[in-house]
Amino acid sequence: DAGVTQSPTHLIKTRGQQVTLRCSPKSGHDTVSWYQQALGQGPQFIFQYYEEEERQRGNFPDRFSGHQFPNYSSELNVNALLLGDSALYLCASSLDPSGYEQYFGPGTRLTVT
Amino acid sequence: ILNVEQSPQSLHVQEGDSTNFTCSFPSSNFYALHWYRWETAKSPEALFVMTLNGDEKKKGRISATLNTKEGYSYLYIKGSQPEDSATYLCALTYGGSQGNLIFGKGTKLSVKP
Repeated sequence: DAGVTQSPTHLIKTRGQQVTLRCSPKSGHDTVSWYQQALGQGPQFIFQYYEEEERQRGNFPDRFSGHQFPNYSSELNVNALLLGDSALYLCASSLDPSGYEQYFGPGTRLTVT
Repeated sequence: ILNVEQSPQSLHVQEGDSTNFTCSFPSSNFYALHWYRWETAKSPEALFVMTLNGDEKKKGRISATLNTKEGYSYLYIKGSQPEDSATYLCALTYGGSQGNLIFGKGTKLSVKP
């Protein structure tokens, strides 16, 4: 079982650019959640996808959007990047939207210059 | 805004010492408490999910307790080993948004041989 995988591992972008991060959930999981961890903070919930729809959303602007594919994998898109978007982005998968047990990937480190 | 507090922020112990950390949280509308262990450059690993007041869970040398009425949980490590060095994260979920994990900032444990 491969567990939750994320790509790329690291990414450097310039202010104003757009970025797409990818996540493959653990086998058998159909729900994917995304979190942002800024330096010195705990991870913060961005949104959750289930049945290819956004089901829950945290306090993040519309520049953050996502998508879930029929195979349950997911993408996180961030438009008009700001310096403050530099963070570790974590993906988590679970068996259902209750998120009772969420399994995390290793994250994508995004640096915005 | 729901605030999850973890203390201490960091901890340095000698191999063989026993140690414990605290997670404090608002108890209103509590659904579940999660403990994660996060080693550098790896994925956060789920240790425990606890839902009932008075719950006690154990995995090897690590155990946790939960008090939902007063809003706190303790994580204990007996006989710390260097491989226990990691950041320990506490996360809460609340009724109505169960898929949204609300994290504390974590306790960073370093165990010296």
